[in-house]
Amino acid sequence: GENVEQHPSTLSVQEGDSAVIKCTYSDSASNYFPWYKQELGKGPQLIIDIRSNVGEKKDQRIAVTLNKTAKHFSLHITETQPEDSAVYFCAASKSQKVTFGIGTKLQVIP
Amino acid sequence: SQTIHQWPATLVQPVGSPLSLECTVEGTSNPNLYWYRQAAGRGLQLLFYSVGIGQISSEVPQNLSASRPQDRQFILSSKKLLLSDSGFYLCAWSLAGNGEQFFGPGTRLTVL
Repeated sequence: GENVEQHPSTLSVQEGDSAVIKCTYSDSASNYFPWYKQELGKGPQLIIDIRSNVGEKKDQRIAVTLNKTAKHFSLHITETQPEDSAVYFCAASKSQKVTFGIGTKLQVIP
Repeated sequence: SQTIHQWPATLVQPVGSPLSLECTVEGTSNPNLYWYRQAAGRGLQLLFYSVGIGQISSEVPQNLSASRPQDRQFILSSKKLLLSDSGFYLCAWSLAGNGEQFFGPGTRLTVL
């Protein structure tokens, strides 16, 4: 089955700096890669996603890149703000099943 | 618009007691439904998923079971809880073949 590895597990950045989270996947058939943000005590919320026919996608301060050849994808958050502090999960999917990474706890220091 | 509900929000149960967690989805038809467990500080572990009424796929052997008695209702059950069943249980739905999943607010289960 699919295996998704995510790093780092924790990340601290100063407010205004950029944050980068990286993931790799094992199944070359995976074609959908969502990123979720989970605040304490709440369910994960989709923040951005990318499909395998696209190399990069951007939504305001958030961007995701995908390298299908290397089977890795990354989340980039620019101009970080304290409210960006949360746990972020990457995931890889084909058909109806989604495999999640272990999560990255991001702390933005004011 | 679609919404997903889970209840209860929190639950404290003794070891050996039964469990029933419920998830319902509004505003969509024939969704794929999922149960995940999240242990403290850990990732999301897929427990069960369902592509239709009465169709349940189990991902991890354990003392939990799932049922889908109605199109937009998904139930997670156990006959006898173990300490290791403690965690944050999340229900999610997606459209068939889409991949994008929408999560409910979760149930915090503590087994004592």
